[in-house]
Amino acid sequence: GAVVSQHPSWVICKSGTSVKIECRSLDFQATTMFWYRQFPKQSLMLMATSNEGSKATYEQGVEKDKFLINHASLTLSTLTVTSAHPEDSSFYICSASDQETQYFGPGTRLLVL
Amino acid sequence: AQSVTQPDIHITVSEGASLELRCNYSYGATPYLFWYVQSPGQGLQLLLKYFSGDTLVQGIKGFEAEFKRSQSSFNLRKPSVHWSDAAEYFCAVGAWGKLIFGQGTELSVKP
Repeated sequence: GAVVSQHPSWVICKSGTSVKIECRSLDFQATTMFWYRQFPKQSLMLMATSNEGSKATYEQGVEKDKFLINHASLTLSTLTVTSAHPEDSSFYICSASDQETQYFGPGTRLLVL
Repeated sequence: AQSVTQPDIHITVSEGASLELRCNYSYGATPYLFWYVQSPGQGLQLLLKYFSGDTLVQGIKGFEAEFKRSQSSFNLRKPSVHWSDAAEYFCAVGAWGKLIFGQGTELSVKP
């Protein structure tokens, strides 16, 4: 149980375009989802906390207008990287929480050219 | 301040040898404690978790961890390492779903 999917698994885009990443909890309802960014050989950096039906809470230093998060249902949250630039290239990982435990998706590798 | 420390950035063990990965935390109250494993290019998989009760918890893939309140530690152990255990291991602490991660320990396994 507790399976979380992410789509796409990898994406290449041109600078200035927007990219949407989906995160789904497949077998449970997640009231809270989290979005992380991970640089090579580093730990996870929490970007934002997303609660179903309400605005996301962003961590300090994360631009909310650049990283748009929507949590429209108990099983789906989306992260949209707007006007992507090469420095946004990274590994993005989502997780879904059952209030006690976070279950992670497989991650999305984003490369902005 | 709340923090998690994994003192060992990289550990190499021989296949079949025992393993212990260290984790120390600083937290205001007794937190929930987790160990996750990450293979290259993949997400994180939950190995085990501790909320309360027996301080020795069993997880998947033959791993176990022991919570020691007096030492603020939650070390991960495995009696006999397999080559497939080579990966990055993250200790995390938190409550109500929000986690603080350690920097991770990279495990290499020698044949």
